[in-house]
Amino acid sequence: GAGVSQSPRYKVAKRGQDVALRCDPISGHVSLFWYQQALGQGPEFLTYFQNEAQLDKSGLPSDRFFAERPEGSVSTLKIQRTQQEDSAVYLCASSLFLTEGDDYEQYFGPGTRLTVT
Amino acid sequence: GQNIDQPTEMTATEGAIVQINCTYQTSGFNGLFWYQQHAGEAPTFLSYNVLDGLEEKGRFSSFLSRSKGYSYLLLKELQMKDSASYLCAVRDPFRDKLVFGAGTILRVKS
Repeated sequence: GAGVSQSPRYKVAKRGQDVALRCDPISGHVSLFWYQQALGQGPEFLTYFQNEAQLDKSGLPSDRFFAERPEGSVSTLKIQRTQQEDSAVYLCASSLFLTEGDDYEQYFGPGTRLTVT
Repeated sequence: GQNIDQPTEMTATEGAIVQINCTYQTSGFNGLFWYQQHAGEAPTFLSYNVLDGLEEKGRFSSFLSRSKGYSYLLLKELQMKDSASYLCAVRDPFRDKLVFGAGTILRVKS
């Protein structure tokens, strides 16, 4: 079956441009997460959706970052007025939310490598 | 606060056994995950521990001690394809997000 897909895989943006990164989670997965991974570091949490509801956006680094999941499936992470420090790999993950305490794993997509020049 | 520590790099020989340690101090705990990540690829799930003890899955085993805030990943019969970064992550009990360590780069030499 299809895993989590992300597009584009690579994006080069000039400083000040807006970008939109897309995530297609595994069909039927309720939970969707966005992470940012800098070179040589582990992924850092950005935001979390359960269906279309954005339940946690505490990791978004500034108000230039915005995420949505309007129909509870595909999600878009938008970065406005990109800065060089936004250069990173943006990972999307989805999981099958059952009940709290279940040992469900997060399935990661291949990521979008964003380079801001 | 959240603090997860793991060694930066390790080197081991093909066919050997290697243990990658992870210590954590987090404001909440709802399980510990290990992920493998090859360069330029997505992290892939290896193991999950929520209770103390050892979980074995083929060549990979993971151990957890919640009282010590400690876990390790044990890889047996190392293969060249095991060269990758290994990520330790603690699950937040309230929002299910994962808090990751910086990862341990494992190099397997022949």
